[in-house]
Amino acid sequence: KAGVTQTPRYLIKTRGQQVTLSCSPISGHRSVSWYQQTPGQGLQFLFEYFSETQRNKGNFPGRFSGRQFSNSRSEMNVSTLELGDSALYLCASRVGGAANTEAFFGQGTRLTVV
Amino acid sequence: GENVEQHPSTLSVQEGDSAVIKCTYSDSASNYFPWYKQELGKRPQLIIDIRSNVGEKKDQRIAVTLNKTAKHFSLHITETQPEDSAVYFCAAGNAGGTSYGKLTFGQGTILTVHP
Repeated sequence: KAGVTQTPRYLIKTRGQQVTLSCSPISGHRSVSWYQQTPGQGLQFLFEYFSETQRNKGNFPGRFSGRQFSNSRSEMNVSTLELGDSALYLCASRVGGAANTEAFFGQGTRLTVV
Repeated sequence: GENVEQHPSTLSVQEGDSAVIKCTYSDSASNYFPWYKQELGKRPQLIIDIRSNVGEKKDQRIAVTLNKTAKHFSLHITETQPEDSAVYFCAAGNAGGTSYGKLTFGQGTILTVHP
């Protein structure tokens, strides 16, 4: 069974640009969550999608947005990039929607903003 | 919202020793507490979890304890091996609340096991 796949693995963007990251969950998983990982900050929750609906959003500015498609694949978009957006972006999928089921993480997309 | 504090930020032990990582949480509604291990350059992977109706859970060399009254939970690794070297994250979630699938993570502990 294929794991959670994130593309691209690495990105370098310039301040002010926008970027779209993609996450393909494990087949049959309907919940996709996104996290930002930076050194010393752990994993910060961005948002969660379940059956194409955003159910929860973390404390990030409106420049961060996302969506989920009918096949459960999810994308997140960051507009007007800032240097501080440089981070590893991880997505995680679950078979169900509850927090107490195992979340399987992708390998992440490393975004560098210059 | 939920806040999770994790200590220590770094932990260095000799092979064969035990390692303990502690986390505290703020939201009494949290009822699910997973621990993730992230090796260098790899994805976080679940190593053990505990639900609020259980005080302790063990899986071979790894155990987790939960004190709901004090709102803290701990990861215990016995007979550590060099391959246990990684970053460990604790997290808290609320199954059944309006947080849905959200997990709040601690800041991580870098564990180094010296041969």
